[in-house]
Amino acid sequence: DTEVTQTPKHLVMGMTNKKSLKCEQHMGHRAMYWYKQKAKKPPELMFVYSYEKLSINESVPSRFSPECPNSSLLNLHLHALQPEDSALYLCASSHIADTLQPQHFGDGTRLSIL
Amino acid sequence: AQSVTQLDSQVPVFEEAPVELRCNYSSSVSVYLFWYVQYPNQGLQLLLKYLSGSTLVKSINGFEAEFNKSQTSFHLRKPSVHISDTAEYFCAVSLYNNNDMRFGAGTRLTVKP
Repeated sequence: DTEVTQTPKHLVMGMTNKKSLKCEQHMGHRAMYWYKQKAKKPPELMFVYSYEKLSINESVPSRFSPECPNSSLLNLHLHALQPEDSALYLCASSHIADTLQPQHFGDGTRLSIL
Repeated sequence: AQSVTQLDSQVPVFEEAPVELRCNYSSSVSVYLFWYVQYPNQGLQLLLKYLSGSTLVKSINGFEAEFNKSQTSFHLRKPSVHISDTAEYFCAVSLYNNNDMRFGAGTRLTVKP
């Protein structure tokens, strides 16, 4: 079982809906990440949180809004998404500012936009 | 910025045959290198990593990779593959003290009986 838990596993939503993806880890990691992965493509970094503060934002459209309410939780709020946003969204965590420790990934949320 | 190239998008092999998945990187500074494996409908799992020291790193399930600085490569090898090794394999690079990891395009390893 993965140590990073993502919910829901699957999500289907219309372009006018508002939904949230959730990610939780209890490994004491202080860095958390959101990635977007299209079919047959590598994960692409979206956001990095370090000590609950946004440290990297890879020019992601504003219809994606991350939130880190505490050191164990990372949310991704979705609003007015487009069909091209359909993808697997992966959350990961790692020890802060220390790439000697690898990133641990959740199993992802598969998002489909109608 | 650092980048990774995986030369083969698909590698089909027969069970018990050896396999090599190729990975080359580019960076003007020292990097950390990783191999991740992704099974269907799952997230990525770390397979092995090179940080420093011995250039040959090994995983618990028989995979190994060798860091070659002169050729800027980090190829993944296994002397005898199993059906269960069928998965997508991603090579990744990260700069020192930077949590920004960049992945290669991935190699789909298919092991046939």
